[in-house]
Formats: sequence, structure tokens, C-alpha cells
Amino acid sequence: GQSLEQPSEVTAVEGAIVQINCTYQTSGFYGLSWYQQHDGGAPTFLSYNALDGLEETGRFSSFLSRSDSYGYLLLQELQMKDSASYFCAVYNQGGKLIFGQGTELSVKP
Amino acid sequence: ETGVTQTPRHLVMGMTNKKSLKCEQHLGHNAMYWYKQSAKKPLELMFVYSLEERVENNSVPSRFSPECPNSSHLFLHLHTLQPEDSALYLCASSQDLGQGRKDTQYFGPGTRLTVL
Repeated sequence: GQSLEQPSEVTAVEGAIVQINCTYQTSGFYGLSWYQQHDGGAPTFLSYNALDGLEETGRFSSFLSRSDSYGYLLLQELQMKDSASYFCAVYNQGGKLIFGQGTELSVKP
Repeated sequence: ETGVTQTPRHLVMGMTNKKSLKCEQHLGHNAMYWYKQSAKKPLELMFVYSLEERVENNSVPSRFSPECPNSSHLFLHLHTLQPEDSALYLCASSQDLGQGRKDTQYFGPGTRLTVL
């Protein structure tokens, strides 16, 4: 089967660093993506990893280990506006994007 | 603004009504998607169109009927829905269908559907 697992909720304070993990099982793998969705808004693309290692984009970084079927999203210098749901998603062999359940991040003052 | 618009943003309908959701993308993309997002559940892929041809129908009940008249527009026709169909319906588009960064999906704001 195909599945992704990520924590349902994470809480952190402003200025802190938080890591959201994602483990996956798919029939074929072509990359791990992360999306952010604010309450009432559209999911927006954050990052994509096709190869092992760390990709950095400003305050956000994403990591992939294909051998471990594992990735994470790292958010640094947290701001209140980072409070949102974060979804990991994988492309499987059919080119279909499979989403995780989402992690609700709450950033406190 | 992601370049993908959806109308209406909110819709309340009875189980016997017929309504349509509209999606338009201004990005010149070739692939378009319908997703269903229910509370506390992952986004569920419903339909995929590539170059106006349906390439995926994810075991969706026939009371949902998609239509893609051209590569910029996508519709979801609804009839005799059930209360459990109440959800956020999201449209997305990508440059092409397949794998990789070029297939990053851009989502519209969604239509919040309530079935009474």
C-alpha cells in the first residue's frame, strides 16, 4: 500500500526551530514535496527533494533520505505567520501526488 | 495568488440539487486536478486531466462528474450529493503530468461545500 506518516500537531515558540518528520511507503518513489496551508487557504508549495540531502530555501529547509524512506521539514526563526498545516507528499510511479495527513504547527509568542 | 481561481468559494446545497464548481488556471499548465479535503484527513485526489484528457478517476462516485473543455478550465458537476460529501474541494494545476519539480502543483483557494 501507500502511506505517509507525520505528526498531527506540533507547538513551538517564536524564534525557535522546529522539525516536522515524514515517513513514507509507496510503490515507486520520485520525490518528496512539502506544502503549507494556512487555515482557510490554498496549499502552497514549499520544497521538493528528489535526491538525498538537505535543500535550503531561506528559513525553511527540507531533508530526504531515500534509504530510510524519511524526510523532514525544518523551520528556523519561527514567526507567528508560520502557524499553519504542513503536508508532506510523494510522487509515486504513476505520477500521482500522495499527501500525508498534515501537521498543524502552532507558533506561540 | 497562485494563478488558479475557483468559484464559488462557498456553496450550500441540498441533496437533490445540481451545481457545478469551476476552476480556471492562468499559468499555461497542461495538467489539472480535483482534490477533496475533509477535516482531519489527507487531501484525496479525485480526478486528473492532462491535455484535456482524463487520466485518473480515483474511484469517485458517479454523483461527481468532471469536465475539462480546454487546458485552462476544469469543472466539477455535482448532483444528488450526500451530507458526507461536505468538504473543501481544491483544484490544482501543474506544468505537466508526471514526476519531478516541473510537476509542482499550484492550488486554488478551494470551494467550501456544505450538503444539507
